[in-house]
Amino acid sequence: NAGVTQTPKFQVLKTGQSMTLQCAQDMNHEYMSWYRQDPGMGLRLIHYSVGAGITDQGEVPNGYNVSRSTTEDFPLRLLSAAPSQTSVYFCASSYGSLFSYEQYFGPGTRLTVT
Amino acid sequence: GQQLNQSPQSMFIQEGEDVSMNCTSSSIFNTWLWYKQDPGEGPVLLIALYKAGELTSNGRLTAQFGITRKDSFLNISASIPSDVGIYFCAGQLTGANSKLTFGKGITLSVRP
Repeated sequence: NAGVTQTPKFQVLKTGQSMTLQCAQDMNHEYMSWYRQDPGMGLRLIHYSVGAGITDQGEVPNGYNVSRSTTEDFPLRLLSAAPSQTSVYFCASSYGSLFSYEQYFGPGTRLTVT
Repeated sequence: GQQLNQSPQSMFIQEGEDVSMNCTSSSIFNTWLWYKQDPGEGPVLLIALYKAGELTSNGRLTAQFGITRKDSFLNISASIPSDVGIYFCAGQLTGANSKLTFGKGITLSVRP
């Protein structure tokens, strides 16, 4: 199993550009989530999904959209990038319950918005 | 909302030393988790604690769930260079789908 994969690993955007961060898992996990990590901060939840077709907002959802058309994929979209969205983004998946201890994180996408 | 406090932000120890990290909260949690993040990677779960007073070991790591449910600590014994990384605590409230709250992390450096 590849586990949780994220692409791209690095990205630089100009303010106002849009892009999609990809996340995929091959463990047949129902639950997936997106976090952002900023220097000196803990992980903050952006959006999460409890299954295909079902998504909900986390702690910091503004400026981000998600969709979950399949169990495997959970892309995160930035509609109009802002410098405040410069961060490291982690996708995670889990089984059993959304935030059970068996939560697997991807390697992250490092995004810079200029 | 809930906040988890981890301090200091950075710790520097000598290889072979033991180190203890604390995590405190103003709120009660029903589950405490400890994660480690290596440079350039995502967090990896080290230890999960589910019961107040519980003491759990994983190799050289030992973690305890505080009796008050408002704190937890992680000990690393006989540190080695690969222990370098960021250590996060996380708490979970009641309910299977309750969200995790993460601490800000402690960056551990180990001098050979």
